[in-house]
Amino acid sequence: EDKVVQSPLSLVVHEGDTVTLNCSYEVTNFRSLLWYKQEKKAPTFLFMLTSSGIEKKSGRLSSILDKKELFSILNITATQTGDSAIYLCAVSFYDKVIFGPGTSLSVIP
Amino acid sequence: DGGITQSPKYLFRKEGQNVTLSCEQNLNHDAMYWYRQDPGQGLRLIYYSQIVNDFQKGDIAEGYSVSREKKESFPLTVTSAQKNPTAFYLCASSISGAGSIYEQYFGPGTRLTVT
Repeated sequence: EDKVVQSPLSLVVHEGDTVTLNCSYEVTNFRSLLWYKQEKKAPTFLFMLTSSGIEKKSGRLSSILDKKELFSILNITATQTGDSAIYLCAVSFYDKVIFGPGTSLSVIP
Repeated sequence: DGGITQSPKYLFRKEGQNVTLSCEQNLNHDAMYWYRQDPGQGLRLIYYSQIVNDFQKGDIAEGYSVSREKKESFPLTVTSAQKNPTAFYLCASSISGAGSIYEQYFGPGTRLTVT
């Protein structure tokens, strides 16, 4: 069965900490893996990964994909309260997209 | 401004009534999607459409119906057959269909409460 698993499901950290969010998947005909941030309502796009080993970076956020081991990580360094959100991992394959359950991140001052 | 709009933001209905959620995009995207989000379950795909006048069932299509008569519009009807309709509904679009490498753009969502 095609599936996307994220861990941890919930995380509480202090401002300034570094966090690593995990996403593993089992799908056929993999096309891409995408990370989204959902603060209140609409998820917003962060990264799309299609090739193994190539890190994508945007400010304090970075992500990498391992297509051999079927997982991706999303790193956030020097966390801020504005990073508090649900982080969703999605995998695009064949003719559909599957989302993981999300990781709820809370950053406390 | 380009984007996706959903209306209404909040919707309350009594059990047994059908209700239609609106989704419009002006991004000139071919593909559109409807998701349902429940706490702790991420997004689950209800229906998607890769081209006008064509759509496919997602993982949880039972009790829902859609139409795609115009490229810009993809309304979702929640019928009385849907056993547990109370949820947060998100509409999304992408340049081309699922299975491609393009990211999805999401609307602000509609929170439906059925009592």
